[in-house]
Amino acid sequence: DGGITQSPKYLFRKEGQNVTLSCEQNLNHDAMYWYRQDPGQGLRLIYYSQIVNDFQKGDIAEGYSVSREKKESFPLTVTSAQKNPTAFYLCASSIRQKVSDQPQHFGDGTRLSIL
Amino acid sequence: EDKVVQSPLSLVVHEGDTVTLNCSYEVTNFRSLLWYKQEKKAPTFLFMLTSSGIEKKSGRLSSILDKKELFSILNITATQTGDSAVYLCAVLKLTSYDKVIFGPGTSLSVIP
Repeated sequence: DGGITQSPKYLFRKEGQNVTLSCEQNLNHDAMYWYRQDPGQGLRLIYYSQIVNDFQKGDIAEGYSVSREKKESFPLTVTSAQKNPTAFYLCASSIRQKVSDQPQHFGDGTRLSIL
Repeated sequence: EDKVVQSPLSLVVHEGDTVTLNCSYEVTNFRSLLWYKQEKKAPTFLFMLTSSGIEKKSGRLSSILDKKELFSILNITATQTGDSAVYLCAVLKLTSYDKVIFGPGTSLSVIP
């Protein structure tokens, strides 16, 4: 079945440590996104990528980095510069909206906690 | 600043009840409004609404958009315990990329 796979499901980070969250999709979607979800708040966009080898900052990019070397993969690194990284991270993908009105599809998320 | 507001933020009902979830928005360059259901993990897509006054239905769920009043509702009739979830409202903007503004969600609990 086509879908979006995020790993790991749970991740623990020590102070000062960088961690990388994986996101892989086999939907042949051009666009991919990373969101952060905190309790009682809506999803907030961290980074997005519309094509391979190109990505742009979202609303809360500070302390995060991404790469898009392959169409299927869009890993997110939470760096030590992110002072409050404890959150639920969701990866999404979509056909680019200029082609058709299709919603974003989401992975099952990674829950990151600080030790 | 763009914003999407949902009400109520949480709701507890008994099985069989009908519920109405509200979503209002102030978003420039509106393209469409989306509803998602989130049960602990991935939000799953329910509806995309682009035109005013046209109801979309899927089983016991239905939704409608009012672009004049900047408002949408999601109705769930004959609720079941499996409807317990967070319901997210989001607005897709017309921008150079697919920018989606999410509301905080309504947490619905359906008790037997």
